[in-house]
Formats: sequence, structure tokens, C-alpha cells
Amino acid sequence: DVKVTQSSRYLVKRTGEKVFLECVQDMDHENMFWYRQDPGLGLRLIYFSYDVKMKEKGDIPEGYSVSREKKERFSLILESASTNQTSMYLCASNSDAADNEQFFGPGTRLTVL
Amino acid sequence: AQTVTQSQPEMSVQEAETVTLSCTYDTSESNYYLFWYKQPPSRQMILVIRQEAYKQQNATENRFSVNFQKAAKSFSLKISDSQLGDTAMYFCAPCGGSNYKLTFGKGTLLTVNP
Repeated sequence: DVKVTQSSRYLVKRTGEKVFLECVQDMDHENMFWYRQDPGLGLRLIYFSYDVKMKEKGDIPEGYSVSREKKERFSLILESASTNQTSMYLCASNSDAADNEQFFGPGTRLTVL
Repeated sequence: AQTVTQSQPEMSVQEAETVTLSCTYDTSESNYYLFWYKQPPSRQMILVIRQEAYKQQNATENRFSVNFQKAAKSFSLKISDSQLGDTAMYFCAPCGGSNYKLTFGKGTLLTVNP
């Protein structure tokens, strides 16, 4: 089975802290995605990566950056966390060779105080 | 850019009944996939059903089926014989283009009542 794991289920940080959210997939997928999920807004794409060291901005990249040094790992970085970044963060991956189905991790619920 | 509209923020249904969740979308792609995802309370997002836009036949997965109207850009999900475990947030998500991105609707919260 495809497995996407995220480093933390729950995270509490202080305003101004640098925050790292880690995502790892074990299916050799080329593409990886970071979403933010807020009530009433659905899932919004922050960044995605289609290859190692390659990244593209999604719909809401402001305040975030990403890193993909290895194919299986995709990190989301909040350079200086703010309270409006309190949210659920979902990581997903898919393969170029398949039908675009994305496989999701369990999510990280981040609270910024 | 794709847009997705799920016009029912919340729905409820009695166990064993049938319910239909609506979704309309807009896309400039000629070939694409469409997905329905399910997110149970405090649990992981999982795929419910997929539809290939070039296929006229509607997809079916056990109790789940879709009504895909390509010209109308409509992609509704029908759940038959609803079960308590179907209680979840449901997201419609078309995909297209070369970058394999999905565009998600805002979701419909479905509650199945005993």
C-alpha cells in the first residue's frame, strides 16, 4: 500500500518561530504536494514539487517555503510563524505514470500562539 | 484555472437511504480525471471514486456511483444504502494538465443518522 507519513499529528508553536513540517512517501512518486485545510475553504494548494529540487507555487504560497532534497521527502517551512497560519496541513503525492490520484498523509494540525 | 463548486455545505441522511452530493466545475482541459475524496472525522483523506472524462460510462464502486455530465461540467456522487461509516467530509476534485494538480471544492459534510 502507498504510505504517506507526516512528522507530527499535532504541533504548537509560538509566533515568530521557524516551523518545519516533514512529509515522506514510500512509493517513489515524482510529485508531492502541500495543502492547507481550513473549515469552509476546503483544501488550498500551497506548493508542489514534480522532481527533486524542483518546486512550483500553488495558490497560497505567501509565508511558506518548501524543500525537496530527496525524492521521498518534501518539507514545508514556515519562516516566521504567524497566528493566521494556524491550520491543518496535508501532504500528498502521486505518480506521473498513473491517473493523477493523490495519496494523502494523516495531516498535521498546527497551532500558532 | 479550474474552479469547483459544491453547493451543499452540509447534508444528512438516514441509514440505508440514498443521498446525492453535487459538484460542478469549470476547466479548459480537454482530457482530465475527476475524483471524489472522503475525509472521516479525525481520519485520513481517502479516494472514493474516480472518473475519466473521456469515458462516457459513469464510474461505480460498490455503493458509490457518479453521474458525470461532461457538457454540463457536473460530477455528482450517489451513495446508496448509506452506512454510519459514510459520515465524513466529501470533496470533489477535478484534475487536468501536465502538472497533476487537483483543485478541491470546499466540501460537503455528510452525516448519516441511525
